[in-house]
Parts: sequence; C-alpha cells; structure tokens
Amino acid sequence: EPEVTQTPSHQVTQMGQEVILRCVPISNHLYFYWYRQILGQKVEFLVSFYNNEISEKSEIFDDQFSVERPDGSNFTLKIRSTKLEDSAMYFCASSGKDNLYEQYFGPGTRLTVT
Amino acid sequence: RKEVEQDPGPFNVPEGATVAFNCTYSNSASQSFFWYRQDCRKEPKLLMSVYSSGNEDGRFTAQLNRASQYISLLIRDSKLSDSATYLCVVLKGSQGNLIFGKGTKLSVKP
Repeated sequence: EPEVTQTPSHQVTQMGQEVILRCVPISNHLYFYWYRQILGQKVEFLVSFYNNEISEKSEIFDDQFSVERPDGSNFTLKIRSTKLEDSAMYFCASSGKDNLYEQYFGPGTRLTVT
Repeated sequence: RKEVEQDPGPFNVPEGATVAFNCTYSNSASQSFFWYRQDCRKEPKLLMSVYSSGNEDGRFTAQLNRASQYISLLIRDSKLSDSATYLCVVLKGSQGNLIFGKGTKLSVKP
C-alpha cells in the first residue's frame, strides 16, 4: 500500500537555527499538507499546497515558515529561525484528486528545539 | 465554542463491548467529516469518512446529524487492537484545512 514518508524521524536543533523537514507524498497525489502536534495537544493545520503554490495557510504559518516542492517527489517544510515553541511533531499529508479531502499522513518528524 | 469538541475520555471497556464516541462542531457550513485514529506518538490514520446518510465499515458505524452539528462513531465487538485515541475531524473551507478535535482515548481490556 502506498504511503507518505518523512525524514528525519527526529531532529534536534538549537534555537535560531534553520531546519528543513522532508516528505515524500503518495506518488499520484496532487494535494499536500503540513500539520503539527505539540505534545499532548491536538493536531493543527499549517499549510496546504497545490499546483506548486500555497492554497491556504493558518495563523501559525508565519514568515518563518516556507514550503517547497523542489522536484517531482519531495515536499519540504522550512523553518528559518527556530524557536523553543516550534518543538512539536510535524506531519506531512497528501490527498488525491479522486478524493480530495481524504488525507493520508506520514509518520511525522519530531522536532526538538533546545 | 471550540471548533470541534470531543469527550476526552478515557473510555475503558472490556473486549467485545460496544462503545460510542460523540463529537460536536461549531461551523454549520462544514461539509466533510472524518474519524481518524491515532496510536500513541504515531500519525493520525484515516478510519472513515462520515456521510450524511451514515455509513458502516465492518464493526465501525459513523453517523452525522447536521441539524445538531453532531457526529458519532460506534465500535461494536471491540478488540484489544482498537485501543487508541479517536479523532473527530471536520473540513474547514475548500482547501483541505482539517480541524481536529483533541480526541477520545479508548482502552480495551481483556
């Protein structure tokens, strides 16, 4: 069964550093998303991406965040200058044109900012 | 009122029991609804979409009441492997922004 993959599984970084989280969505999917989940809290939407541009973003997704699809398979989330409060699990998800709203999630990257 | 509200539980039930989870949502214009399950420190996994007419998938039945803005999930003959947190999810807008509830924790005991 095709699945979303994410690397790395765990990233530790110092406050102020840049991080790039990587995702490979399901191959025939066209819609891509990033969510985050702070420990013990609910899953929160960050951004959706379609046709090489952001289609929607939340208030959390400020100027420190950016997304990119650098090639035909990868989808990345960059945090320019990490803060302590960016520590969370970051999930990538994708959905296909046959069922736009059924999103399939990757295993997540645990980001720890020290 | 929170966008998606669920009873946090935990629900502790014996194997074979029937258990029901409820969820309410605040935006009456919402059109798409889902149940996901999440195991501890894992990703949310899509369990089922929720349709207006109600739908069933094996031991799982989902119902939607638009007038009351209420969604339910029924699990029959619960198994040990059903132990997880069940997330009620509502689509916001048309660009795939999913709004998650905090989840209801289920623990099925032998």
